[in-house]
Parts: sequence; C-alpha cells; structure tokens
Amino acid sequence: DAGVIQSPRHEVTEMGQEVTLRCKPISGHNSLFWYRQTMMRGLELLIYFNNNVPIDDSGMPEDRFSAKMPNASFSTLKIQPSEPRDSAVYFCASTQRGFDGYTFGSGTRLTVV
Amino acid sequence: DAKTTQPPSMDCAEGRAANLPCNHSTISGNEYVYWYRQIHSQGPQYIIHGLKNNETNEMASLIITEDRKSSTLILPHATLRDTAVYYCIVRASNNNDMRFGAGTRLTVKP
Repeated sequence: DAGVIQSPRHEVTEMGQEVTLRCKPISGHNSLFWYRQTMMRGLELLIYFNNNVPIDDSGMPEDRFSAKMPNASFSTLKIQPSEPRDSAVYFCASTQRGFDGYTFGSGTRLTVV
Repeated sequence: DAKTTQPPSMDCAEGRAANLPCNHSTISGNEYVYWYRQIHSQGPQYIIHGLKNNETNEMASLIITEDRKSSTLILPHATLRDTAVYYCIVRASNNNDMRFGAGTRLTVKP
C-alpha cells in the first residue's frame, strides 16, 4: 500500500489566490482527517469525515476554509482567498476503525506570500 | 478527551532504552492511550496504543499503570533515527477527535 498520498508536497501562492490541497486515503479506510501544523499552534485538527460525511468541522479556522470528500478515495481542502497566516504544513490522515492508529500523509507545505 | 502531561524534552544515549513518561490522571474508563512520533519534516507516525494491559510491538512497549493514570513508552534500544517528538494522546475508541499536545522532544545522542 502506498499509504496516504497528499499533493502537492509544496505550494507557494500569492495572497488572495485559491489553494486546493488533495488527499487520497488508504484504500478501505473509512475515516479521514485534515490537520494543520505551525510552530506557534502545533498540530491542530481541522475537520474529519466518517464514510465521506463531515462529522466535526469545528477546527476549521474560518469560512475561507472548506473541505470535501466526494468519494471514499479522495478529499480536498480548499482555502479561498488565501492569506499569509495560512502558511503551514497541512496533513491528511486516515484510519479504518475507531480504535486503530491513524496513518498520516507526508503533508503539504503551504506558503502564502 | 482527557489531557496529558509530558516532559518537553529528554535525552537518551544511543543503544540504551528510552523511557518516555506520560501523565493522564483524568483518563476515563473507555479511553485508550495512544503514542505517535513525528520525525522532523515528516507526518506523525503511529507507534502503539493500549487500554489497560501492557502492549508490545516491533517498535516499542507501552506500560500502563494499574490505576491508568500514567503510562510509559519504552524504546528498548534507541537509535539516532528515533530522534523525534513523541506524542501521548488519550481518546475513546468511538471518538475520532484526536488532538495532539506539545509532546516530548527525544534526542538520541551517540
């Protein structure tokens, strides 16, 4: 298994532009999570899905952030418009069962200038 | 989820056992103890988890006290590649809201 696959690995964009981060979970995993990591705030849970349905988006910073999971093998995290304070590493993770450990992707390093 | 307390940093000599403590004095009966680590510039990596019994896998051992208020992650023979931030997290199996604290930065020295 290739693990959780995130793209792109690095993204540099100008303030005000739309950014879309992509994630492919491990096949057969039915829960997917988006995290953000910064030096100041550490690892923060943004949103998670069970069986493609968003369960808790209370960690999404504001309306500029949105996440979708149109099917079991793909999810997107979109920021529109992007701001410099959105610069961070964004991780996607998936798991099969509630008590299993999560498998994380390699992350997308986003820089908004 | 119950909160955890970990020392901010620890050192360990290469080849020796690394014992990383975690306090979770408010843990509930249905909450598991999970350990993850994050090596620089990589995503967090799942290590091990347990409910009340001690657990061992190819990466580490997890020792949970009888009252479940604390636990210790043991890396039996630490290598330089084990240098990472180690996170202890408690959560219920039916709660996918897993939140990371600051963790312990373990430095394995030659």
